[in-house]
Amino acid sequence: KAGVTQTPRYLIKTRGQQVTLSCSPISGHRSVSWYQQTPGQGLQFLFEYFSETQRNKGNFPGRFSGRQFSNSRSEMNVSTLELGDSALYLCASSRDIYEQYFGPGTRLTVT
Amino acid sequence: EDKVVQSPLSLVVHEGDTVTLNCSYEVTNFRSLLWYKQEKKAPTFLFMLTSSGIEKKSGRLSSILDKKELFSILNITATQTGDSAVYLCAVTETSGSRLTFGEGTQLTVNP
Repeated sequence: KAGVTQTPRYLIKTRGQQVTLSCSPISGHRSVSWYQQTPGQGLQFLFEYFSETQRNKGNFPGRFSGRQFSNSRSEMNVSTLELGDSALYLCASSRDIYEQYFGPGTRLTVT
Repeated sequence: EDKVVQSPLSLVVHEGDTVTLNCSYEVTNFRSLLWYKQEKKAPTFLFMLTSSGIEKKSGRLSSILDKKELFSILNITATQTGDSAVYLCAVTETSGSRLTFGEGTQLTVNP
């Protein structure tokens, strides 16, 4: 069974730009969650989608948004990028309440 | 607000040693506790525990949950250099799949 895939793997953007990251979950998994990982803050929850509906949201500003499609694939968007948005963005999928499996992540660098 | 505290934050041992990593938590509506291993990439799933007192085991790794005292331990016996990694503890609530992570324990196993 293929694992969670994320594209792109690496991204360099300039302050003020916007970015869209993509996540394809494991086949059959309907829950997709997004996390931001930085050396200072560790792993922080962004949001969770289940069956195209946002089920939970973390404490991030409105510049961070996401969506899920009918095939469970998910995208997250960050608008008006700031230097502090530089991080590893991880996507995780699960069969609802079961264990979550992480993708390889997208390393975003904002200059 | 949910809280997960791991100890120690850092540990250096020699190959063959046995280590015990600790995780305590405060969660409003606890559902499960998960352990992940993170090397220089995305976290990989180790265990999910939902019931108190039942040990989960996989090779040299084992984990147990105490829901009364709100903690879990991860044991690694006969450590190998390949066990060097950050070990992350996370909890979920009944409201969804959101993971709240601890800071992690950086384990270094020297030959």
